[in-house]
Amino acid sequence: KQEVTQIPAALSVPEGENLVLNCSFTDSAIYNLQWFRQDPGKGLTSLLLIQSSQREQTSGRLNASLDKSSGRSTLYIAASQPGDSATYLCAVRDNYGQNFVFGPGTRLSVLP
Amino acid sequence: EPEVTQTPSHQVTQMGQEVILRCVPISNHLYFYWYRQILGQKVEFLVSFYNNEISEKSEIFDDQFSVERPDGSNFTLKIRSTKLEDSAMYFCASSRVSRETQYFGPGTRLLVL
Repeated sequence: KQEVTQIPAALSVPEGENLVLNCSFTDSAIYNLQWFRQDPGKGLTSLLLIQSSQREQTSGRLNASLDKSSGRSTLYIAASQPGDSATYLCAVRDNYGQNFVFGPGTRLSVLP
Repeated sequence: EPEVTQTPSHQVTQMGQEVILRCVPISNHLYFYWYRQILGQKVEFLVSFYNNEISEKSEIFDDQFSVERPDGSNFTLKIRSTKLEDSAMYFCASSRVSRETQYFGPGTRLLVL
């Protein structure tokens, strides 16, 4: 059964810093991986989808990498801003189904 | 930009009552999903739906749950007899094709008393 973990659980950084959020999964037979952002009490906003055949995807200040064989993905946020403060979730879809297995999230605070 | 919408945003109900949560997926999407998030816990998959039938469901999705697409736009989740442990945020999601980017609605916060 796929298990997804995220480190750190919480992170507080000053504005302008570059930062890395980590996601690990136990079963490397994945189809794709999606990073989401969740604001308090709100829904999930899709950030990046990275296919199992890809090594990275970029969108603006965000870059997601995938190392399937080691069961890891990282989300890199460049030049962080207070508006980036949210919980970041990674979710893995395996080769056997359609649904996502979510990690517990990393709660990010960017201080002005 | 098209988005998934959900109603109501909040619902309070008594244990044992039936509730129906409603979702309007993005119009050209063909795959629909329900997830839930108990307060402080992970987002959990409940069910996926395609071509008017369930394509996949988790062990959480027992006989108390059902889904329906009653018309061309709505997608509903029914909980037949709510329990205290059903209290959670319920998210609807949709995707244009299978296994691609899922777009989530804002959620319905369900509180069972």
